[in-house]
Amino acid sequence: DIVMTQSPDSLAVSLGERATINCKSSQTVLYDPINKNFLGWYQQRPGQPPKLLISWASTRESGVPERFSGSGSGTDFTLTITSLQAEDVALYYCQQYYTIPLTFGGGTKVEIK
Amino acid sequence: QLRLLESGPGLVKPSETLSLICAVSGGSISSGPYSWAWVRQPPGKGLEWIGSIHYTGNTYFNPSLKSRLTLAVDASKNHFSLNLSSVTAADSAVYYCARQVHYNSPYYFDYWGQGSQVTVSS
Repeated sequence: DIVMTQSPDSLAVSLGERATINCKSSQTVLYDPINKNFLGWYQQRPGQPPKLLISWASTRESGVPERFSGSGSGTDFTLTITSLQAEDVALYYCQQYYTIPLTFGGGTKVEIK
Repeated sequence: QLRLLESGPGLVKPSETLSLICAVSGGSISSGPYSWAWVRQPPGKGLEWIGSIHYTGNTYFNPSLKSRLTLAVDASKNHFSLNLSSVTAADSAVYYCARQVHYNSPYYFDYWGQGSQVTVSS
């Protein structure tokens, strides 16, 4: 199984500041023939189901604010929230879909400082 | 707008079978490059993929649950279902159904249901 490790477990950021969440996979999720990273990012607000933010490591879903961006390749990935807003308080998860079983990171909790 | 709605008993006895249905509205379960999935979240914990089924009937299981798991699609009712047998307290969780983008295998989850809380207890 590919193990997804997120860091930090939680972080507190002031409104308007940047939040950075890291995700590391135990093996590559880059599929070389098509040069795509099989990695997604989700946001889960309290009491809500997860919501897809980013697919293919860096493709923002329709309707997702531009302050959310994904980067990285191979085994190391980052979700960045520039200018944190109050509605961004949530848990964030990465997920690999390179191979079965599909696996998620343990989650990162983002709070307001 | 696609909607998914889970239904099923909220309480299941140990050793019995957990059964859930996910009703899909606003789109056909038989169209598009999609599969249909179950993901669970134990209280205060992270997300675990359970398994996925394509409308053609192809199934993909988490090996940790495969021996207890049955997935099915009913295109005539536009719903899909999960049966998990021989449950224990460790199976208590919120169970989400979701749509997955699917090409030669299931990929990421782009639509989610609101979740169904299932508790295993006598």
